Amino acid sequence: AQSVTQPDIHITVSEGASLELRCNYSYGATPYLFWYVQSPGQGLQLLLKYFSGDTLVQGIKGFEAEFKRSQSSFNLRKPSVHWSDAAEYFCAVGAGGTSYGKLTFGQGTILTVHP
Amino acid sequence: NAGVTQTPKFQVLKTGQSMTLQCAQDMNHNSMYWYRQDPGMGLRLIYYSASEGTTDKGEVPNGYNVSRLNKREFSLRLESAAPSQTSVYFCASRGITVHYEQYFGPGTRLTVT
Repeated sequence: AQSVTQPDIHITVSEGASLELRCNYSYGATPYLFWYVQSPGQGLQLLLKYFSGDTLVQGIKGFEAEFKRSQSSFNLRKPSVHWSDAAEYFCAVGAGGTSYGKLTFGQGTILTVHP
Repeated sequence: NAGVTQTPKFQVLKTGQSMTLQCAQDMNHNSMYWYRQDPGMGLRLIYYSASEGTTDKGEVPNGYNVSRLNKREFSLRLESAAPSQTSVYFCASRGITVHYEQYFGPGTRLTVT
């Protein structure tokens, strides 16, 4: 069965600083990988996704993520953080075949942005 | 196009009471899912429906039942609520695509006292 680990429960950065959120996954085949963002009191919004091809994927709001098969990682990055990026971020892995598109989520990383 | 809608937004129940959480999507998606979100645990799958007329258990199904009423609607029922079911519940849907991207509703915050 697949699993996802987000090692950082809480990260604090200053506005304008760069950001990297870590995600490690466990899955036997090529995974489908996602990053979602959740603002306080809101549902989840898809930031970006990886299925195949170019291992560096671009998403909304200036975010990007890099798939590294050798490290089983899919880290999320942003060059310059804005105060509005404060939210909780979830990495998720989806399996193919007969899993009917079920996603397994990591525990989440809460991002705090200092002015 | 409202996407995925959930009702109610908030609910307080006493232990032993029952209730049904409603979910509807207007994107003509085949698959629908119910998750619960608890602090530090991410989202955990309760039940899912791969297509109209089918439902299956997810990771944490105990204490819940579901009904796929039609292609649009997927409800989650708590027959006898327990304090351990205090959580935020999210419904999601997915269309026919190899990409498994799910679209989420705004959530229902449930407190069981």
